Amino acid sequence: GENVEQHPSTLSVQEGDSAVIKCTYSDSASNYFPWYKQELGKGPQLIIDIRSNVGEKKDQRIAVTLNKTAKHFSLHITETQPEDSAVYFCAAMLYRGGADGLTFGKGTHLIIQP
Amino acid sequence: GAGVSQSPSNKVTEKGKDVELRCDPISGHTALYWYRQRLGQGLEFLIYFQGNSAPDKSGLPSDRFSAERTGESVSTLTIQRTQQEDSAVYLCASSPMQGGPYEQYFGPGTRLTVT
Repeated sequence: GENVEQHPSTLSVQEGDSAVIKCTYSDSASNYFPWYKQELGKGPQLIIDIRSNVGEKKDQRIAVTLNKTAKHFSLHITETQPEDSAVYFCAAMLYRGGADGLTFGKGTHLIIQP
Repeated sequence: GAGVSQSPSNKVTEKGKDVELRCDPISGHTALYWYRQRLGQGLEFLIYFQGNSAPDKSGLPSDRFSAERTGESVSTLTIQRTQQEDSAVYLCASSPMQGGPYEQYFGPGTRLTVT
């Protein structure tokens, strides 16, 4: 089955700086890669996703890049703000046209220092 | 509109007792998922439903775990003879079946503590 590794487990950056979180996956057939943000006491919320036919996707301060050859993908957050502090999870899935479960990384605790 | 809701939000039970966790998905979402999140860990996929059918139950940790869904709506996750290692947050998510891949919308979870 799929295995997703995520680094770092904790990331502390100064407000206004950029943050990068990296993930690798094992199943070369996986074709869907979402990123979720989880705040304390809440369920994860999708912030951005990318499909395997795209190398990069951007949404305001958030971007995701995908390298299929190396089987890794990264989340980039620019101009970080205090409200970006949370736990971020990457995930991977082989989308075959129906529902299926996601394989998640273990999460990165992002801390934005004022 | 209303999101995914789960009940109870917290459950403390004694080892050996059975527990039932409930999930109310977003109205109209055909797919429903259950995940387990142990403290400081990522989410572990347990099972999904397409309509009322669960095509693959291999993610359930043991035969003490079972899940059902009725009316393409509410789902219950039942854990029999609970063990301390069952302590975790159990998260439910739902998604529509049009287009795809589908964003999974998560509920707030049920925190289960087995003493």
